[in-house]
Amino acid sequence: KQEVTQIPAALSVPEGENLVLNCSFTDSAIYNLQWFRQDPGKGLTSLLLIQSSQREQTSGRLNASLDKSSGRSTLYIAASQPGDSATYLCAVEGGSEKLVFGKGTKLTVNP
Amino acid sequence: DAGVIQSPRHEVTEMGQEVTLRCKPISGHNSLFWYRQTMMRGLELLIYFNNNVPIDDSGMPEDRFSAKMPNASFSTLKIQPSEPRDSAVYFCASSFGNFETQYFGPGTRLLVL
Repeated sequence: KQEVTQIPAALSVPEGENLVLNCSFTDSAIYNLQWFRQDPGKGLTSLLLIQSSQREQTSGRLNASLDKSSGRSTLYIAASQPGDSATYLCAVEGGSEKLVFGKGTKLTVNP
Repeated sequence: DAGVIQSPRHEVTEMGQEVTLRCKPISGHNSLFWYRQTMMRGLELLIYFNNNVPIDDSGMPEDRFSAKMPNASFSTLKIQPSEPRDSAVYFCASSFGNFETQYFGPGTRLLVL
């Protein structure tokens, strides 16, 4: 059974700092890995999707990497801003369109 | 496009009552997913449909839960009878094609007293 772990559960940084969020998964037989953002009381917004054949994806200040063989992914956020404060969720998709989510990292960026 | 639409946004009900949650996926999307989010268990997939057909309902907790998708633009998740442990946020998501980005609705926050 696929399990996804995100460390740390919470992170607080000053504005402008570069930061890395971590995600690990137990079964490397995945089709893709997705990073989502969730704001309080809101739904999830997809940030990046990395196919299993890819090593990384970039969108603006965000860069996500995938090391399928070791079961790890990182989300790098450059020059963090208070507006980046949210919970970031990692999810992996196996052979059945089913996403398995981690419990998220709650990020606070302090002005 | 308006995105995935869910209703109601909030629901408070008493134990034993029937609860119906509704979802309108993004037009043109052919996969629809129902998730439940709690503090203890995080986000869990309950059931998903492809081309209106239920593909996997292994995440449905018990027979009190049922889901339907009568057409490509509407789905319901029903809980009957509801119990306090069903209190959670229920999300609907849709995607176009297999293994594509899933787009989430704003969720329905359910409280069963």
